[in-house]
Amino acid sequence: RKEVEQDPGPFNVPEGATVAFNCTYSNSASQSFFWYRQDCRKEPKLLMSVYSSGNEDGRFTAQLNRASQYISLLIRDSKLSDSATYLCVVTVNQAGTALIFGKGTTLSVSS
Amino acid sequence: DGGITQSPKYLFRKEGQNVTLSCEQNLNHDAMYWYRQDPGQGLRLIYYSQIVNDFQKGDIAEGYSVSREKKESFPLTVTSAQKNPTAFYLCASSYWSSYNEQFFGPGTRLTVL
Repeated sequence: RKEVEQDPGPFNVPEGATVAFNCTYSNSASQSFFWYRQDCRKEPKLLMSVYSSGNEDGRFTAQLNRASQYISLLIRDSKLSDSATYLCVVTVNQAGTALIFGKGTTLSVSS
Repeated sequence: DGGITQSPKYLFRKEGQNVTLSCEQNLNHDAMYWYRQDPGQGLRLIYYSQIVNDFQKGDIAEGYSVSREKKESFPLTVTSAQKNPTAFYLCASSYWSSYNEQFFGPGTRLTVL
């Protein structure tokens, strides 16, 4: 089983749509969770951290379900500028462990 | 401005040559990392360093070497032993904790001809 799995997409949606991405992780000891955004041929940039209680940042909402080892990202009122690849990232609380990345879900928002 | 810089942005080398990719950060971060990304793939960890003069192998360290002589710098050498070196190389840094997000440099796109 892969450590972090995401639906690769692509998700093609019109402007204004609501879209949800899901991510599952295999290591129950995972401690920290993030969503990164990566534009084509650019570096990943942190979109938001994911907290157990869920968190919201403007049009973006992240949820964590530890029991199901599942993370989600909801984007409301999609904009053209939201077109990118969204990477689900987890860390495991072990000395010397870096981030574990999913392969990403590609979103394309059209007018 | 604080940040991470990588140079060069694009690099072309002939097969069999070693090449060194630069990574510098002025964020006062303890830890630095090197990742490799291939088309349609996730990022894979090559090496990381928690403190100066110490570094650890990641998942795909074979054919690569690093050094950490200064806190700000973490250069990566792609040696001729690396079978498929053509890729997008990303350097990142963070405070050393599994709870802290990593910040990435703009990357170096290496093409071996």
